[in-house]
Amino acid sequence: GAVVSQHPSRVICKSGTSVKIECRSLDFQATTMFWYRQFPKQSLMLMATSNEGSKATYEQGVEKDKFLINHASLTLSTLTVTSAHPEDSSFYICSAAEYSNQPQHFGDGTRLSIL
Amino acid sequence: QKEVEQDPGPLSVPEGAIVSLNCTYSNSAFQYFMWYRQYSRKGPELLMYTYSSGNKEDGRFTAQVDKSSKYISLFIRDSQPSDSATYLCATTVIQGAQKLVFGQGTRLTINP
Repeated sequence: GAVVSQHPSRVICKSGTSVKIECRSLDFQATTMFWYRQFPKQSLMLMATSNEGSKATYEQGVEKDKFLINHASLTLSTLTVTSAHPEDSSFYICSAAEYSNQPQHFGDGTRLSIL
Repeated sequence: QKEVEQDPGPLSVPEGAIVSLNCTYSNSAFQYFMWYRQYSRKGPELLMYTYSSGNKEDGRFTAQVDKSSKYISLFIRDSQPSDSATYLCATTVIQGAQKLVFGQGTRLTINP
C-alpha cells in the first residue's frame, strides 16, 4: 500500500517551454501532497504544500507564478514549471501520506533538463 | 544552525559490517522520526519510522531515538552491497500532513 506514482520520470525540453509533472497516490487518498526539489548530492528542499481543493502553500523564496501547483482531486497533484529556463533544471519529487498520522511516501521523481 | 544535522559522509564499509548512521536535531517539538533510503536518480524510500524514544527493529535495520539527547540513529546489520545508497533522516512535529525536515543525507557504500 501507500504507493505514490510520478510522471514523467524524465523531461528534456527547450528553454521557454512549460512542463507539467503529475503526482498520483495510487491506492489511497491524499488531501495533502508535497513537492520537493533536489540538487545533485544535496538533500530535498520543500517547494510547496499542495492541498486538495485549495491554493498551495509555497515556501519562502519559491516563485508561485513560476511553479504552478494544482491539486484537483484526492489522488492527483500537478506541478507546472512555466516558461522553464536552464536554471530550473533539477530533480523534482512529490510525496503524500495516506493518513494524517502516517509517514510520507515519495514518488520516484522527475528529472527535468532545460536546454 | 540547521534544525537537523547529519554527517554527509561518504561512508565506506566492507560487506557484512554493522553500519551506524546518526542525526541530531535541535527542536524539541519534533515528535516523529523517519529514515529514508535513496538510490541514485530515485525518490526516497521509507525504511523506518518511529514516535517513541527507544529502539525499533525491522529485519536488518534498527532505528533508535533518544529524545532527551535529541539524537537518532539507524543501524544496519550484515550490510550488503545493495544497501549502498544515500540515507536521509527526517523529522516532523505532526505526522503526515506537515512538512518534513531532512538531514543532509549520508552517502553509504558497502564494498563486496
